[in-house]
Formats: sequence, structure tokens, C-alpha cells
Amino acid sequence: DAGITQSPRHKVTETGTPVTLRCHQTENHRYMYWYRQDPGHGLRLIHYSYGVKDTDKGEVSDGYSVSRSKTEDFLLTLESATSSQTSVYFCAISEDNLAKNIQYFGAGTRLSVL
Amino acid sequence: GQQLNQSPQSMFIQEGEDVSMNCTSSSIFNTWLWYKQDPGEGPVLLIALYKAGELTSNGRLTAQFGITRKDSFLNISASIPSDVGIYFCAGQPTTGANSKLTFGKGITLSVRP
Repeated sequence: DAGITQSPRHKVTETGTPVTLRCHQTENHRYMYWYRQDPGHGLRLIHYSYGVKDTDKGEVSDGYSVSRSKTEDFLLTLESATSSQTSVYFCAISEDNLAKNIQYFGAGTRLSVL
Repeated sequence: GQQLNQSPQSMFIQEGEDVSMNCTSSSIFNTWLWYKQDPGEGPVLLIALYKAGELTSNGRLTAQFGITRKDSFLNISASIPSDVGIYFCAGQPTTGANSKLTFGKGITLSVRP
């Protein structure tokens, strides 16, 4: 298994509260990604990082921010959680995002916003 | 944006049967990946393909990179109950240093004992 740890694995929160999800890797891979998975939509990219302090938006970035202060950690923050952000969130890592963009996934965080 | 099409959404087969699934796109892709996801877990890479026409096997699984570069196929032979799960295809388009994987919506496979 790729050394990816997501925390927490499950979280229930209330609308309007801030939430931070953590992804930690032990592979020293340059690229890290945050996806959300919802029924009928598959995996959708929220944000990604191509190095320390280097991040960019994905297709569903509204309402989310990210930070990467160390190679091994990529944080996803919901500034003010909404019910539409109830989802399963996956972190992925990749050594190379060009010709061989093989992404390895964490086990996921199931977030419920009430 | 680019989309990958996987259909049907669900497949039901008998244990021991072979099953084939495909993934199609209107755009050319440089890399094709096939993942499997078990309930409550993250997707796990099954097979990676990098060249048009490439045929790669992983145990009972065989995948092919379509000649047109717009499709890929996954075949599972002699299915067993643990093959149950969601099978996703993913593709990497040819353009841009920051090009990203596009995922299909997945096919849920059920295997009857």
C-alpha cells in the first residue's frame, strides 16, 4: 500500500463551521490531490499541489482551500461547511503528473455536514 | 471538459464468468488507468497503459489501450466473489504539464456465487 494516511476517517459537523482534513504521505511524492466522490459524479478534483506552497484549483474548488507547507502534508479546509459538501473525500499522490500520472489514493474521509 | 464514459452503471455476473468493460472518450488520451474500489476504501490501481495498442495483464485481469487512443478495455476472466466492487477508468490527456487525470463514473460489478 502507498503510504498515505487521511485523518479523520469520519467526521460529522454543523453547517457554518470550519473543517480541516489532513493527508499525510511517506512516499516523498511531489504531487498531491484532493478529490470528492459523490453518487452519480464519480471522482472530482478539488485542488492539487505540485510542490511545497504550490497549489492550483481543480474543477470543484469553490468553498475549499488547501495548504502544503511540507512535502508530506496536504490540508483541505472547508472555510464554512455547507450541506452540499457532505461527501467522501480522497487524497491522492503521484510522483509524476506528465506521461505516467499514476495516482495512489488514501482510504478516504467521510464527511457529513448537518 | 473532457469526459470518460463507462456504461452500464452496474453489471451482474455469475461466478466463473468472464466480464468485459470499456471506457470511451471523445478526446485522445496519453495514459489509461484502471482502478478498483471496495466499499469504504479508496481506489486501488489495477493496470496502467501507456501506448496505443498496448495489452497488459495482471493475474486474471487484462486491459488494452485502444488503437484510436480514445478508449480502453478491461477484461476479468473466471470471476470470483472478491471481484465485487466499483471499476473506474482514468485517462491522462496529451496536453500540458499540468494536465490532470479524468475519471469515469465507474461500473459496479456484482458476482453471484
